[in-house]
Amino acid sequence: GAVVSQHPSWVICKSGTSVKIECRSLDFQATTMFWYRQFPKQSLMLMATSNEGSKATYEQGVEKDKFLINHASLTLSTLTVTSAHPEDSSFYICSAGRTSGRVSYNEQFFGPGTRLTVL
Amino acid sequence: GQNIDQPTEMTATEGAIVQINCTYQTSGFNGLFWYQQHAGEAPTFLSYNVLDGLEEKGRFSSFLSRSKGYSYLLLKELQMKDSASYLCAVYTGFQKLVFGTGTRLLVSP
Repeated sequence: GAVVSQHPSWVICKSGTSVKIECRSLDFQATTMFWYRQFPKQSLMLMATSNEGSKATYEQGVEKDKFLINHASLTLSTLTVTSAHPEDSSFYICSAGRTSGRVSYNEQFFGPGTRLTVL
Repeated sequence: GQNIDQPTEMTATEGAIVQINCTYQTSGFNGLFWYQQHAGEAPTFLSYNVLDGLEEKGRFSSFLSRSKGYSYLLLKELQMKDSASYLCAVYTGFQKLVFGTGTRLLVSP
């Protein structure tokens, strides 16, 4: 299988602090990782695409200076929410992409998500 | 722009059949995924369609019509554990998935 982990699974922080979320592909190498945000009762919104060793590509409307993404290795990407505010409270989900000849599409495997609450 | 629409909520009873529709208008199309997501958990893969027609996998089937920009997920013999959100997502290329609004399905006894 292909397992993706996220840490922490939940975090509560004070307004103005920074929070780092890790996303790891445990049993495969992921050249591309994706970060999504999901507000309650809404669908997943892609925030950014992260390629190992290069700068992340952010979706329109996502502040790159606020949501810092680092993809330092083929198995680890981190999202840092800087100077978090209550409106940043959300469910953050990462996924790791794997190109496989076994299937006709590029598979994405999702992490279990991180619930961020900013007080 | 990207536009993927699904009904917001659906209800059904245990043992019944339910069809969840998805219509899409996207700048690119390289296939359509259906995911199941339980509250507070990550989405799990259900199906992938890239050609027109019906793909059957156990109790779940997925249909695609590219000319109509339309897909549906069919769930048979509903069980209580099928209560979840069902997400339609279009693979637009460059490994990018664009998700629909999601449909919350409630299965009652």
